[in-house]
Amino acid sequence: DADVTQTPRNRITKTGKRIMLECSQTKGHDRMYWYRQDPGLGLRLIYYSFDVKDINKGEISDGYSVSRQAQAKFSLSLESAIPNQTALYFCATSGPQAGPFYNEQFFGPGTRLTVL
Amino acid sequence: AQSVTQLGSHVSVSEGALVLLRCNYSSSVPPYLFWYVQYPNQGLQLLLKYTTGATLVKGINGFEAEFKKSETSFHLTKPSAHMSDAAEYFCAVSDRGGSQGNLIFGKGTKLSVKP
Repeated sequence: DADVTQTPRNRITKTGKRIMLECSQTKGHDRMYWYRQDPGLGLRLIYYSFDVKDINKGEISDGYSVSRQAQAKFSLSLESAIPNQTALYFCATSGPQAGPFYNEQFFGPGTRLTVL
Repeated sequence: AQSVTQLGSHVSVSEGALVLLRCNYSSSVPPYLFWYVQYPNQGLQLLLKYTTGATLVKGINGFEAEFKKSETSFHLTKPSAHMSDAAEYFCAVSDRGGSQGNLIFGKGTKLSVKP
């Protein structure tokens, strides 16, 4: 089974709709991240969480919100979706900030979101 | 502020040829450096990383990268390309010992391998 899962894998929605993307992990990691990927722009950080009580904005948080329901779950919401939020969204996790896996992030398979 | 520049959004090589994907970074302190690969319709997978020690780092699938501090570079190479290497490759940097240690990604280089 995959260590980092994302649901749904694909979603088409309309402008103005509320959308939630979910991420679950079985790696036991404290740190979780949400990125969006656009062609030619690479990955940009939306939000990140270092533990259940610690949520931080990333580079492009406007129009998004997150919820860290448990150590293993981190959800991304678009309160009122707009077409320029059409993108590929990735969740990632990382482990202890010491030792051989320092800063190594593990990615989910992605959610392709289309906003019409 | 840290940044990553990947030269060439698309690189095309013939099967069996050398693969060279370029990455330059800017950082006020020696960073940690990473290369990730994204195969079609998949998430990102770590290829290799440099943290400390030997500046020539070997990764999976025959790839390697060399950290050159004087050139602020971390170019990715593979001596002989295989069709299965066709993918998008991302260079990333994070601060060393920073409180956040978040990754900053380059914009990616799409590698095509011709038969």
